[in-house]
Amino acid sequence: KAGVTQTPRYLIKTRGQQVTLSCSPISGHRSVSWYQQTPGQGLQFLFEYFSETQRNKGNFPGRFSGRQFSNSRSEMNVSTLELGDSALYLCASSPLLGTGYNEQFFGPGTRLTVL
Amino acid sequence: AQTVTQSQPEMSVQEAETVTLSCTYDTSESDYYLFWYKQPPSRQMILVIRQEAYKQQNATENRFSVNFQKAAKSFSLKISDSQLGDAAMYFCAYRSREGNNDMRFGAGTRLTVKP
Repeated sequence: KAGVTQTPRYLIKTRGQQVTLSCSPISGHRSVSWYQQTPGQGLQFLFEYFSETQRNKGNFPGRFSGRQFSNSRSEMNVSTLELGDSALYLCASSPLLGTGYNEQFFGPGTRLTVL
Repeated sequence: AQTVTQSQPEMSVQEAETVTLSCTYDTSESDYYLFWYKQPPSRQMILVIRQEAYKQQNATENRFSVNFQKAAKSFSLKISDSQLGDAAMYFCAYRSREGNNDMRFGAGTRLTVKP
């Protein structure tokens, strides 16, 4: 099976712009989670989607949003970019929702740089 | 809120030796899951080992084993016969069994393996 894929891998934006990142989960996986990874804050949970519905949300401002499509692919959007949004954004998929024991399979991430 | 603490930002081990990475967590829950993830340089994060809190027996996966001390809220990872390929960032993570069971990660420990 193909792994989790994320596009684009690298992105450079300027403050005030918006950005959309894409994640394709492993075939058959219905749960997609997003994380922000920075040197200062580490790995922080953004949100989780299952069956096109947001099921969990982390403590991020409303500028961060996401959605999931019927084929389980997910996008996250960040509007009005700030310098502090520069980070590696990781997507992870798993087969089911709510069964915390399930392994999450991570993608390679999208490196976002905000200038 | 659950927090995960990894008190060792960096560790180093000689090839073929054994190393233990520390992790403690704070929770009021009695049932949860604990994970160790490995993130090699510029590569995807992968699951190393996981433990269910209600199981007293420590999990093992080949050269990797954990020392789970529920009362002390400690979950250390032991790597035996260390190999050069073990060099990576290691993250300890906590996930609730119920409710908003997003994954909470520690800050990570960078492991260097010396030949």
